[in-house]
Amino acid sequence: NAGVTQTPKFQVLKTGQSMTLQCAQDMNHEYMSWYRQDPGMGLRLIHYSVGAGITDQGEVPNGYNVSRSTTEDFPLRLLSAAPSQTSVYFCASSTQATNEKLFFGSGTQLSVL
Amino acid sequence: AQSVTQPDIHITVSEGASLELRCNYSYGATPYLFWYVQSPGQGLQLLLKYFSGDTLVQGIKGFEAEFKRSQSSFNLRKPSVHWSDAAEYFCAVGGTMEYGNKLVFGAGTILRVKS
Repeated sequence: NAGVTQTPKFQVLKTGQSMTLQCAQDMNHEYMSWYRQDPGMGLRLIHYSVGAGITDQGEVPNGYNVSRSTTEDFPLRLLSAAPSQTSVYFCASSTQATNEKLFFGSGTQLSVL
Repeated sequence: AQSVTQPDIHITVSEGASLELRCNYSYGATPYLFWYVQSPGQGLQLLLKYFSGDTLVQGIKGFEAEFKRSQSSFNLRKPSVHWSDAAEYFCAVGGTMEYGNKLVFGAGTILRVKS
């Protein structure tokens, strides 16, 4: 019972590099989302998806792209990393339209130098 | 716009003492309210939620929260804190169709427990 799996757990990038944070869930959840967590700011929603083929922007979408080709996977892409994107990233999923219970991955700690 | 305020960044309580973590929200509709807990290096875990009905809700690990519409508050309480409760606690609001099912989180309150 894997739940929500995020890879990698840690990543260091140089400014301008690109990378993809992977997120997969095996619970057949329709709703998936990406958050970033910064000290003193809680979790802020980057992008979310209510089902395969459907994505939308959250509170802080700039600099990030997402796609949802399957129910299971929801990758987050940084096209040109910036130091301001240094953060801890969490993927979450839920089966309920009301997000009654979000299941979180264990996070990816990203540093951009 | 939706927003959540957790006025206390840090709280320190003695083991066995009671705990109350404050949460105030701003929301344009009847809110769905949540409390999550995050242990160091971990993702978030749902403690409890309020959707409707009884305004006092019970959660896991002995926590409870009370929804007060007149005060726009959803404070988290525990009668006797254990050392294992030391963690960061997040209040969240949202999840309704009117706002695209999105949750908005507060900035968090770090709980320290002293023996």
